[in-house]
Amino acid sequence: SYVLTQPPSVSLAPGMTAKITCGGDNIGRKSVHWYQQKPGQAPVVVVHDDNSRRSGIPERFSGSNSGNTATLTISRVEAGDEADYYCQVWERSSDHWVFGGGTKLTVL
Amino acid sequence: EVQLVESGGVVVQPGGSLRLSCVASGFIFDDYTMLWVRQAPGKGLEWVSLVSWDGTYTYYADSVKGRFTISRDNRKNSLYLQMNSLRNDDSGLYYCVKAYSSSSSGYSDYWGQGTLVTVSS
Repeated sequence: SYVLTQPPSVSLAPGMTAKITCGGDNIGRKSVHWYQQKPGQAPVVVVHDDNSRRSGIPERFSGSNSGNTATLTISRVEAGDEADYYCQVWERSSDHWVFGGGTKLTVL
Repeated sequence: EVQLVESGGVVVQPGGSLRLSCVASGFIFDDYTMLWVRQAPGKGLEWVSLVSWDGTYTYYADSVKGRFTISRDNRKNSLYLQMNSLRNDDSGLYYCVKAYSSSSSGYSDYWGQGTLVTVSS
C-alpha cells in the first residue's frame, strides 16, 4: 500500500516561513491535498490538487509537488496557523485514499 | 450551508457491532462520493471507506475490510457504516466526509464533527 511520510513536528517563530513536507514514491505523479486540523475541530482542506487554495484560505498558504516530495508552504506564519497538517492522495491502483501521518505546526 | 451530522457512536465491547449514520443537507447528496474517516485519540487521520454517488462501488481500508460495510440511502440523504467484529483499535472519532466530486479520486471539502466509538470491555 502507498505510504505518505510527514515530519511529526515543525516549530518556528511568527513571521517565518514554514515548509511541511510529504514524501511518497513518485508523489509528483499524483494530486496532493492538504488539510489543517485545529484542536477539537474537524479537518479543513487548505490546498488541493497540489497548489490550489480553497476559497477563503489566505494567499500565505501554497503548495508544490515534484519527484518524491510534496510541500505545503506557509509564509509569514501567525499564531492562528498552529494546527496539525495532513497530506492526502488518492491511490489509483486500489481506489484508496491515503493520509500522511500528520505534522504538528507550533508557532513559538 | 452544507451540514453532515453523524450519530451512533457508543461504548461497545470487543467483538460487538455498531451502525453509524450520517445525515447530509445543503447539497445534492446523490451527486457526490461519500467517505468515512476515523481518528484514534491523539492520533492521525485514517481513511476507512468510500462509496460512489450511486452506491454501486465501495472500497475499504485493509484494516476494516471484511468487517465494515458502507452504504447510502440517497432518498434519505444518509450515509451509513455497519461495523462488525469490533476491536479495541477501532476506537476513535468517526467522521462523515463529503468528496469534492462524484469521482472516488480527489479530496474532501466538507467534514462532519464526528461520532465517538469506544471499543472496550
